Amino acid sequence: ETGVTQSPTHLIKTRGQQVTLRCSSQSGHNTVSWYQQALGQGPQFIFQYYREEENGRGNFPPRFSGLQFPNYSSELNVNALELDDSALYLCASSSGGREVGGYTFGSGTRLTVV
Amino acid sequence: KNEVEQSPQNLTAQEGEFITINCSYSVGISALHWLQQHPGGGIVSLFMLSSGKKKHGRLIATINIQEKHSSLHITASHPRDSAVYICAVRSRRGQLTFGSGTQLTVLP
Repeated sequence: ETGVTQSPTHLIKTRGQQVTLRCSSQSGHNTVSWYQQALGQGPQFIFQYYREEENGRGNFPPRFSGLQFPNYSSELNVNALELDDSALYLCASSSGGREVGGYTFGSGTRLTVV
Repeated sequence: KNEVEQSPQNLTAQEGEFITINCSYSVGISALHWLQQHPGGGIVSLFMLSSGKKKHGRLIATINIQEKHSSLHITASHPRDSAVYICAVRSRRGQLTFGSGTQLTVLP
């Protein structure tokens, strides 16, 4: 299977709740990175996983956590949701860990926190 | 000051015009990416550059490592080129830092 699939595509949650977003990895890729994109802004790096280990993290609090599975798919978990967490969450897969090649992006999950 | 600056923020062109979008960065990088984002959010990777120039169809990307500057050019622009174009730089640790994007609208 080619391409990166994210689920769900849209989600509405209440402040204080927890959410799990999912991302498949393109065949042949072993690295997944997650990004938060607020309306009208460029994406911000959350973290990256290479072969099931976190190997880079942006300026996000610990309530943003993740996992990568043996098939290189990944989850992003956000606890204690805040209104400012409303954004488009993008994931991208690539190959190689630190020395990555090109990226394949998913279409994103639009999260609304009310 | 952001680590990645793009200009212009918004650009409106007539069909057929030559378009240039600029990107400047202030950090050491291992590569620079040009990305295209359509309404709804999906991102397509257009180019990955570490030096020189690349061409794909009507799109051309250049990078000057010494000046920390890259440009994306679109020749013979078409309304289907309308999208947000984003410059992103990859650090030596493998982390992507994005510009805020350029909204391009090409009018028929």
